[in-house]
Amino acid sequence: SQQGEEDPQALSIQEGENATMNCSYKTSINNLQWYRQNSGRGLVHLILIRSNEREKHSGRLRVTLDTSKKSSSLLITASRAADTASYFCATDAGQGAQKLVFGQGTRLTINP
Amino acid sequence: KAGVTQTPRYLIKTRGQQVTLSCSPISGHRSVSWYQQTPGQGLQFLFEYFSETQRNKGNFPGRFSGRQFSNSRSEMNVSTLELGDSALYLCASSPRERAGSGYTFGSGTRLTVV
Repeated sequence: SQQGEEDPQALSIQEGENATMNCSYKTSINNLQWYRQNSGRGLVHLILIRSNEREKHSGRLRVTLDTSKKSSSLLITASRAADTASYFCATDAGQGAQKLVFGQGTRLTINP
Repeated sequence: KAGVTQTPRYLIKTRGQQVTLSCSPISGHRSVSWYQQTPGQGLQFLFEYFSETQRNKGNFPGRFSGRQFSNSRSEMNVSTLELGDSALYLCASSPRERAGSGYTFGSGTRLTVV
């Protein structure tokens, strides 16, 4: 079963614009991670934010986490055509075992 | 540093057959987990192995099984294949040196059951 919802399911923007994707989850977490997937290939780890963090940056990526609302957002600034992919949030409840629970993903298309 | 290697990349099997997929984690990574990705159900956790022990299992029937070897390589097996088993199977490895490490995924094995 999925942990929660991602919003929007699909997003199409012009190159250079910013893209924001949202993720909601249901249970307590140890951390939340964002992954990118190109055309049904493997997942690429983008960024991890721990439950005691509120914001994290990595290059053009900015992730926020609001544990009181059980939600997270991923912002990609100055988008490029190469950013076209599906983006997934995944929660890790910790407690010793490795298990990620994924959202349904956002399909991002960057138009040149 | 080599990434996570999954073999084979593509596989076509007939209903009722069984299949074995292989995953070689990043050198030094002791945790290997498996996920199934389908258009309908999305990404779902199958199981996770650490030091040859299965530590967690997802909600899949007993036809899905796995194991991990002493060199951390892992295999998953699906017996009595059904059409609904057609999916992209992804393997992920992690050093698990501390809680909350990111995962490195392989490129996956795309299984088609006909």
